This record gives sequence, structure tokens and C-alpha cells, in this order.
Amino acid sequence: EDQVTQSPEALRLQEGESSSLNCSYTVSGLRGLFWYRQDPGKGPEFLFTLYSAGEEKEKERLKATLTKKESFLHITAPKPEDSATYLCAVQANNYGQNFVFGPGTRLSVLP
Amino acid sequence: GAVVSQHPSRVICKSGTSVKIECRSLDFQATTMFWYRQFPKKSLMLMATSNEGSKATYEQGVEKDKFLINHASLTLSTLTVTSAHPEDSSFYICSATSGTHTGELFFGEGSRLTVL
Repeated sequence: EDQVTQSPEALRLQEGESSSLNCSYTVSGLRGLFWYRQDPGKGPEFLFTLYSAGEEKEKERLKATLTKKESFLHITAPKPEDSATYLCAVQANNYGQNFVFGPGTRLSVLP
Repeated sequence: GAVVSQHPSRVICKSGTSVKIECRSLDFQATTMFWYRQFPKKSLMLMATSNEGSKATYEQGVEKDKFLINHASLTLSTLTVTSAHPEDSSFYICSATSGTHTGELFFGEGSRLTVL
């Protein structure tokens, strides 16, 4: 069964304390892996798409990487405004246009 | 990135009434739109997938007659919660994709429904 899991469920960091969020997936035929950021009471905001193992994408303090089984979202020197829930999702060849979302990681960055 | 507009952002209604939520893709043609429901501190739960001009495909456990979805054009999909009850109170989010092979999914801002 296709599955997406994320760890940790919640993460508290001090401002400037770098860390990584994990997204593990089991799908048959990955079409793409997507990272989103969601603020409370808002819709998810698109961050990155990764298509193949070894690919990396960067945006400000965020860097996403992809292997054949998992993706990491690295946060370097985070700031309080990086506090949000980070969701990963996969699109697989047998889903059509459907996406499967992980449960998310709630990140809190303390000043 | 592409823009998806969802309206209203908040709605409060009485039990038994119906509520319509609109989802529009503003700068691209959305061949497929998705409707999600999200409970507090939980991830997105897919309710249904709609393709322009055809009937929506509902996920298991989602009542078709309660959650009416219409995708009348390539830029507009609507979700109508019929005969709403307090247990329908939730955060509803739409998303849209242009349908390319590796197309990103873009989300609306969400609609907070409160049924009294």
C-alpha cells in the first residue's frame, strides 16, 4: 500500500538551530514529491517539487533533498517566521492526478 | 506561482441550511480540482476529485449527497455542503492542478465552516 509518513510529528528549535524534517514514502512509481508549508488557518503554500533521487532544491533557509525512499527538508539557521506545519506529498504514476499527503511536521522556532 | 482563490474564507450557518464554497484558478486552467477537509492539527483528508465537465469522484466514506461538487468550467469548482450539521464544521480547502505530467498542486486559502 502506498504510504507517506513524516517525522518528527512536532519539533521545537531555538532560533539559529539548524535541523531536518523527514518524509518517508512507499509508492509504486514516483512521479513527484512535493513540500508545502501551512500556517494556521491557511491553505498550504507550495515550496518545492523533487522528481528524481539525488535532486536538491533550495529556497532561502530551506533545502529539500530526495532519495529513493525519503526526502529531507533541511532548515538552516531558522527564524521564528519559519514556524509552520510542513507537509510533504507524493504523486505516483498509478494515482492519476491524486496526491497523497503525509501527516505533517509542526515546527516551532523560538526567539 | 499559480493562484487559487477560495471564497468565503469564513462562514457561519444554522443547522439544516446549505453552504456553497467556491474555488477559482485565477491564472491557469485547472483540469483537475481537489477538495480536502482538515481537522485541527491533522493533515489533509481528500474528499473528492473533480474534473471539468464530469462528475466528481468521491473518496470512500464521503457522502455524495451531502457534499455536492460541481466543476463547471476550467477555472471554477464549487463545494456545497447540504443540510449542514454541527459535525460538518471544519476547514475545507480546495486545490487545483493544470494536469501536466508533473504538475504542482496549488491550494486555496481554505474556508472555515461553523455550523451552529
